[in-house]
Parts: sequence; structure tokens; C-alpha cells
Amino acid sequence: AQSVAQPEDQVNVAEGNPLTVKCTYSVSGNPYLFWYVQYPNRGLQFLLKYITGDNLVKGSYGFEAEFNKSQTSFHLKKPSALVSDSALYFCAVRVSMNTGFQKLVFGTGTRLLVSP
Amino acid sequence: EPEVTQTPSHQVTQMGQEVILRCVPISNHLYFYWYRQILGQKVEFLVSFYNNEISEKSEIFDDQFSVERPDGSNFTLKIRSTKLEDSAMYFCASSPREDRRHYGYTFGSGTRLTVV
Repeated sequence: AQSVAQPEDQVNVAEGNPLTVKCTYSVSGNPYLFWYVQYPNRGLQFLLKYITGDNLVKGSYGFEAEFNKSQTSFHLKKPSALVSDSALYFCAVRVSMNTGFQKLVFGTGTRLLVSP
Repeated sequence: EPEVTQTPSHQVTQMGQEVILRCVPISNHLYFYWYRQILGQKVEFLVSFYNNEISEKSEIFDDQFSVERPDGSNFTLKIRSTKLEDSAMYFCASSPREDRRHYGYTFGSGTRLTVV
């Protein structure tokens, strides 16, 4: 089955330090990968996506993600964390269904806590 | 920026009761979806809807569930007879015609359903 895995339930980082939130994928063919963020009492907000092209993808709020085909990873990164980055982060992969429509398959989420 | 609006934000219902979760997708979007997130678990696809019919549904979306677009603007999810295990956050999402391949569709802020 096509899926993504987020091995860390929580990541703690001090403000100003770089952060990494890990994601690995298992798909057949070329993966279409996404990162979403969920702030408390808010919906899922799109951060960035990898479809094709450069392995380093830049997204919203200073986040970026690196696609690594050999390691089947798509880790989310930010050079300098902010307290306001504290939220729940989801990695997702696009999966095609029998009808030709697509759906997103999400990871279990990683809670990022940035301390002052 | 256009938003997907969901109401109510939180609903408590007794087991066996019917509930209707409401969503107003972005006005020029044509593809609509429901996802759900059981507390502490991953976000899961429920159903996709296009051209006034279900295009795809997951195994979770059994006969107790139904969706409709009654008036051309609202998109509803009905659970006919709620069970305790239906307690979850339900997310509505929509995407425009030209973004059918889910390159980053827009999610609502969710409805937290609590079945007691």
C-alpha cells in the first residue's frame, strides 16, 4: 500500500535553531508529496509540495523540504525555528484511485514544539 | 484568500442520533472531499464528490454515511445513526477544476464531532 511514515511523534527545538521533521514514503512510481500544518482549532494548511523538478522545495512561512529518492524521504526543514511554528505537521502522498480520482494519504503527524 | 467554511466547529450528539456536518467550499471549486481524523490518529480519506455524485469512497464510508450538495453551495456529510467510534474531527476540502490532481487543495477548519 502506498503510504508515508512520520517516525517522530514530537520534535522539540529551541527558538532560533534549525528544525527537521522527518517523513519517509512508500509509493510505486513517482511520488507526489505534500506537507500540511495544523494549528490549534484550525484546519490543515498547505505548506509545500513536491511534484517534479528540484529536490529542494520551498514553501510557506520559510519552510522547505528535501526530496531524496534514494532514501525515500521528504523531510521538512527550517533554518531558524520560531515559537509560532509550534503546531502539528502532516506529511502526505497523492494516491490514484480506481476511478482516476486522487486522494491524499496522510502520515500520523508530528507535533513540533519550539521553546523560547 | 478564499476559505472553506465548516459549521459547526464542535457538535456533541447522543449515540444513535443523526448528524449533519456542513461545509461551504470555495465558490469556483468543483471537487469536494471529506476526511476525518480520530483523536491522536492520522487523517483519513472518506469520500470525494464531483458533478453531483460520489466519485470515490473509502471502506470507512459505509451505509451510515451520505453526502450531498443540496443547493449548489453547501456540501454536507450526514451520519445517519452515530456510533461512539464516529467521534472525530471531520475536515471538508475542495479543489478547482484545473487542480483536480490535488496539488494542494484547500481544507476547512474542521468540525469536532463528539458522540456520547
